[in-house]
Amino acid sequence: DAGVIQSPRHEVTEMGQEVTLRCKPISGHDYLFWYRQTMMRGLELLIYFNNNVPIDDSGMPEDRFSAKMPNASFSTLKIQPSEPRDSAVYFCASSWGITGNTIYFGEGSWLTVV
Amino acid sequence: AQKVTQAQTEISVVEKEDVTLDCVYETRDTTYYLFWYKQPPSGELVFLIRRNSFDEQNEISGRYSWNFQKSTSSFNFTITASQVVDSAVYFCALSEAPGGYQKVTFGTGTKLQVIP
Repeated sequence: DAGVIQSPRHEVTEMGQEVTLRCKPISGHDYLFWYRQTMMRGLELLIYFNNNVPIDDSGMPEDRFSAKMPNASFSTLKIQPSEPRDSAVYFCASSWGITGNTIYFGEGSWLTVV
Repeated sequence: AQKVTQAQTEISVVEKEDVTLDCVYETRDTTYYLFWYKQPPSGELVFLIRRNSFDEQNEISGRYSWNFQKSTSSFNFTITASQVVDSAVYFCALSEAPGGYQKVTFGTGTKLQVIP
């Protein structure tokens, strides 16, 4: 079975540019999570969706960040405009159903903003 | 306040030594789940174990074992006879359901280096 698929795997962009990260969750999963990992802050939950509806976006750092889930098989995390401090690994993860079911991670999108 | 605390930032052991990674959590829920994930140098996050709050039995899987103690809100992970391939960052995580929706919070991770 295909796991969580993220693209791009690596992105280098210039400050001020728009960045769009994409995620395809595991088929049948109804939860989708976006995490950011940095050396300073570790793994931070940015936002999560249930049945395509954003449930908690309190982790989104600022208005430059936005996330959408137009359907059950696709989500995007957008940064506009990007800044060097946004450089991090962004993980998408998905899970099914009730609390406690294992969440499965994609391989991450490594973003560098120069 | 941190919901999941991994006080050990980095640990170094010599190959074949046993090592225990600590995890302390905080929750008001009576039903919750705890996880351990491994992040090797390649960067992916690999699921290791899941445990629910009603099951305090220790679990062993090969060289890995987990000790869950609700009395101390701890879910510690022990690697027996460590190997170089165990070198990774290990994350403990807590799954709760505030408002009925699953939310998973991770600790800051413990970096384990196994020296040959």
